[in-house]
Amino acid sequence: NAGVTQTPKFRVLKTGQSMTLLCAQDMNHEYMYWYRQDPGMGLRLIHYSVGEGTTAKGEVPDGYNVSRLKKQNFLLGLESAAPSQTSVYFCASSPPRQGAVTGEQYFGPGTRLTVT
Amino acid sequence: AQKITQTQPGMFVQEKEAVTLDCTYDTSDQSYGLFWYKQPSSGEMIFLIYQGSYDEQNATEGRYSLNFQKARKSANLVISASQLGDSAMYFCAMRETLNTGNQFYFGTGTSLTVIP
Repeated sequence: NAGVTQTPKFRVLKTGQSMTLLCAQDMNHEYMYWYRQDPGMGLRLIHYSVGEGTTAKGEVPDGYNVSRLKKQNFLLGLESAAPSQTSVYFCASSPPRQGAVTGEQYFGPGTRLTVT
Repeated sequence: AQKITQTQPGMFVQEKEAVTLDCTYDTSDQSYGLFWYKQPSSGEMIFLIYQGSYDEQNATEGRYSLNFQKARKSANLVISASQLGDSAMYFCAMRETLNTGNQFYFGTGTSLTVIP
């Protein structure tokens, strides 16, 4: 099992450019999440999905869009990148928390994005 | 209001000593899960330990234990017999079940340095 993978690992964008980050998981998890991590601010939730075809806004959704057309994939899009979006982006997936299943998140390795 | 509060930005501990990392949480949900993750300098997020809101006993996983005080809404991580490899960022997280549709909330983290 590959777990959670993210593509690309690094990217440099110019202001105004667009890009899509791909997250894939092979654990058949219902829930998927996109976070950004900035120094001193922990992980902040951008968008999340509770199942195929569904998405919801998290704490910091502005400037980002997402899609979950297939259960195993969760895409994060930046339509017009800004320097404030320079960050490390993590994708995560989890099963439901029920019974003996603790429902912890499994994280991808992260994508380091720089917007100049 | 912050859902997860970690008040110790940085901590130092002598090798082989025990250390407690503080975490308090805020929720009105009756069913929730509390998690601790470790992030070494390499950047990956590693799940350490889980405590369910209905669990009566404190969770333990090897050298990690979670000191769960429900009435005080605290979920402190205790690392016993610290090792140099424990130097990392540590994040406390909470997953609500009913209130917010299975969102996870993270604290801002505590940077732990183990001194030889």
